[in-house]
Amino acid sequence: AQSVTQLDSQVPVFEEAPVELRCNYSSSVSVYLFWYVQYPNQGLQLLLKYLSGSTLVKGINGFEAEFNKSQTSFHLRKPSVHISDTAEYFCALFTGGKLIFGQGTELSVKP
Amino acid sequence: GAVVSQHPSWVICKSGTSVKIECRSLDFQATTMFWYRQFPKQSLMLMATSNEGSKATYEQGVEKDKFLINHASLTLSTLTVTSAHPEDSSFYICTLQERVVSNEQFFGPGTRLTVL
Repeated sequence: AQSVTQLDSQVPVFEEAPVELRCNYSSSVSVYLFWYVQYPNQGLQLLLKYLSGSTLVKGINGFEAEFNKSQTSFHLRKPSVHISDTAEYFCALFTGGKLIFGQGTELSVKP
Repeated sequence: GAVVSQHPSWVICKSGTSVKIECRSLDFQATTMFWYRQFPKQSLMLMATSNEGSKATYEQGVEKDKFLINHASLTLSTLTVTSAHPEDSSFYICTLQERVVSNEQFFGPGTRLTVL
């Protein structure tokens, strides 16, 4: 069965520090992978996506992610975070005509 | 990307009443829309897939008689929560899917439903 696991429910980090939000997936077929950000009481905004091609994907707001097929991972990274990056982040797998979401990671950036 | 709107953005209702939530695609003809539910501090759970001109496909465990979905046109899908109860209080989000190139889903801003 297809699934997405976000390994950290909460990630506290200081401003200007690097951050990595971890995501592992399970799928027996080709995958499309996405990272979304959700600010309080808002819908989801796409950060980046992996469809095919280069395994290093760059997104908005300075985020990037690397698709690793052998480790079935799609970790999200940013070299230097800002207070405004505080939000909930969701990793998602598109398969079988549906999006399957991970449990979410709450990124909290402290001054 | 496609622009998706939802109305209302928030609603408070009494237990036992019905609430209709509209999801509109403003610049894209969507044959398929999706409805998600998100409880506080939890992830999004797919409720149903809404297909224009046909019956919606519901996920396991979602009551189709309670959550009525109507996809009457290529730009409008509605979710009606019938006889709402406090446990139906949640954040409801619709999406539409771009099927030609990327299978990317475009999200509406969500509707916060509170049932008293």
